[in-house]
Amino acid sequence: AQSVSQHNHHVILSEAASLELGCNYSYGGTVNLFWYVQYPGQHLQLLLKYFSGDPLVKGIKGFEAEFIKSKFSFNLRKPSVQWSDTAEYFCAAYTGGFKTIFGAGTRLFVKA
Amino acid sequence: NAGVTQTPKFQVLKTGQSMTLQCAQDMNHNSMYWYRQDPGMGLRLIYYSASEGTTDKGEVPNGYNVSRLNKREFSLRLESAAPSQTSVYFCASNLGPDNQPQHFGDGTRLSIL
Repeated sequence: AQSVSQHNHHVILSEAASLELGCNYSYGGTVNLFWYVQYPGQHLQLLLKYFSGDPLVKGIKGFEAEFIKSKFSFNLRKPSVQWSDTAEYFCAAYTGGFKTIFGAGTRLFVKA
Repeated sequence: NAGVTQTPKFQVLKTGQSMTLQCAQDMNHNSMYWYRQDPGMGLRLIYYSASEGTTDKGEVPNGYNVSRLNKREFSLRLESAAPSQTSVYFCASNLGPDNQPQHFGDGTRLSIL
């Protein structure tokens, strides 16, 4: 079955630390990939997306993600996190049809 | 721009009661979706509507029904609520086809006692 796996359920970092959140998908065909962020009490918002082309994708608020096809991965990175990045992050994959598969989410807490 | 609007934001029901969650979008999107979000499980698709006049089951449709009333509105109905349906429900929409990013509402926090 198609799935999206996020390696860490909870991550705690201090401000200015670097961030990398893992995401792997299980699908051998063409895939479109997304990272969404959900700030406390808010709805999900798109951080960035990958459809094709340059595998290094830049999103809003200094986030970026790298698509590595050979590893079926789409990890999210940020060089220096801020307290305001405290949120839950969801990786998602569209593999066809009208169904986008979401990972279980990673809760990030940034200590001021 | 309002985007995707969901009502109500909070609701408490007793087991066996029925309820309809409302969703409306003002972005002229073709496709609309209902998800439930449970701790540690991410978002799971309940039903979706690829376009006005069509609806299809998602991953977890049992116990729910939907209506695509028009292009703007997509409602989710619980006919006989069960405690297992306690969750946060999100409505989303996109232009379609489905590979486009989805725009989400603020969610409905539903508790079934």
